[in-house]
Parts: sequence; C-alpha cells; structure tokens
Amino acid sequence: QSALTQPRSVSGSPGQSVTISCTGASSDVGGYNFVSWFQQHPGKAPKLMIYGVSKRPSGVPDRFSGSKSGNTASLTISGLQAEDEADYYCCSYAGNSTPFVFGTGTKVTVL
Amino acid sequence: EVQLVESGGGLVQPGGSLRLSCAASGFSFSDYPMHWVRQAPGEGLVWVSRINHDATYTTYADSVKGRFTVSRDNAKNTVHLQLNSLRVEDTAVYYCVRDSRKNGVDYWGQGTLVTVSS
Repeated sequence: QSALTQPRSVSGSPGQSVTISCTGASSDVGGYNFVSWFQQHPGKAPKLMIYGVSKRPSGVPDRFSGSKSGNTASLTISGLQAEDEADYYCCSYAGNSTPFVFGTGTKVTVL
Repeated sequence: EVQLVESGGGLVQPGGSLRLSCAASGFSFSDYPMHWVRQAPGEGLVWVSRINHDATYTTYADSVKGRFTVSRDNAKNTVHLQLNSLRVEDTAVYYCVRDSRKNGVDYWGQGTLVTVSS
C-alpha cells in the first residue's frame, strides 16, 4: 500500500485560507468515506482534526473543514492563525489487511 | 480523559530486540482495537500493526511481518509490541494509537523512540 500523496508545503497569511490535497486510489480514499486528518506540531503526537471525511471532533475549531471528491480528499483551514502552523497528515481506511494508509505530510506555514 | 503512555524504547544494535509497552486509561480498554504507528526521524507516519479488542486477530505491515508481534493484556489495560531482528530502518518514534471504531484512529500516545544502530 503506497502512501497517499500530499503537497510538501503550503503557506498563507493570517486570516487567509489554505487547502491541502490528499490523493490516493480507489482502494483507499476513493473506496471509503473514512478519511481523517491529523495535525502534528514539532516534537508532539498527532492530533485528530477531521474524521469520516468531514466530521470534526469536539474541541476542534470550525475553521477546519474536510471534503472528498473521487480519489482526492482535502483539508481547508479558513481564517489561518499562527497556531495552525504545523505538519498535517491525511489518513484513509484501506481494508482489513492494511487498515490504514497515511499521507506524505504537508507543512503549513503561516507567513 | 483518554491517556496512552508508551515505554520501552531505547538504543539497540541491528539484529537486537525490544519490547514496547503502552498503558491505557480513561476508557474501556477491552472494547477497543489498538494500533502501533511509527515515524522515522523527519519522515511521515506509517501504520505498523493492529490488534483487535480481544486479541483474536492481529495484522502487520509487510515491512515488519514476521519480526514484530503485537499483544495485549486487557486485565492490565496494556498493549505491547515485541520488536525482533531489528534493522537500522526500524529507527523511529513508535506511537500507540486507539482505534476510533469508526474505521479510523483517534487518540495517540506521546511516542517512544527506538534507535537501531551499531
């Protein structure tokens, strides 16, 4: 199972919106509505930001939103804030034998 | 509050072994499958292994199959990962991760660093 493809980096000014893409295949992203997104600050554990393509766990700001079209999922951060600067990873369910595949990771920089 | 605390990492020579442990609290541990995910220095996240809630089913990434073994003790709320025949490329932070039971994962431990080097 190959890693899902994400852009290496995206950037934006405070208050702007950025979108991170996550491209997989029909065997993972395209085959299930089970895409998650994780935020990881340096030296910290990943934190769940989006699950089930577009659902937000309790406590995650509504500035974070997710969507999916075909084999590509997307995470949009609206109203970018300094604390949003981090690495972001998508994750898709991929079946029973290899249940999860992660994306290559995207570094979000707040200019 | 869900808490996952890993331990057991360290420096080991190629070919050596380590046993990682993860102590869980704040939820009904025996109801949840658990996973191990690793992250090599400066690299991305890679799924390693899964064990179902009652330890009757386990699965592994191809890169560790036959070398790593996952187990759990529901009486002690712990999950373990036995790492054998370690290779330099196994060097990574190993995270214990809870299955969300919604075809995803949710809570992560803080990780434990395994360094394989001579």
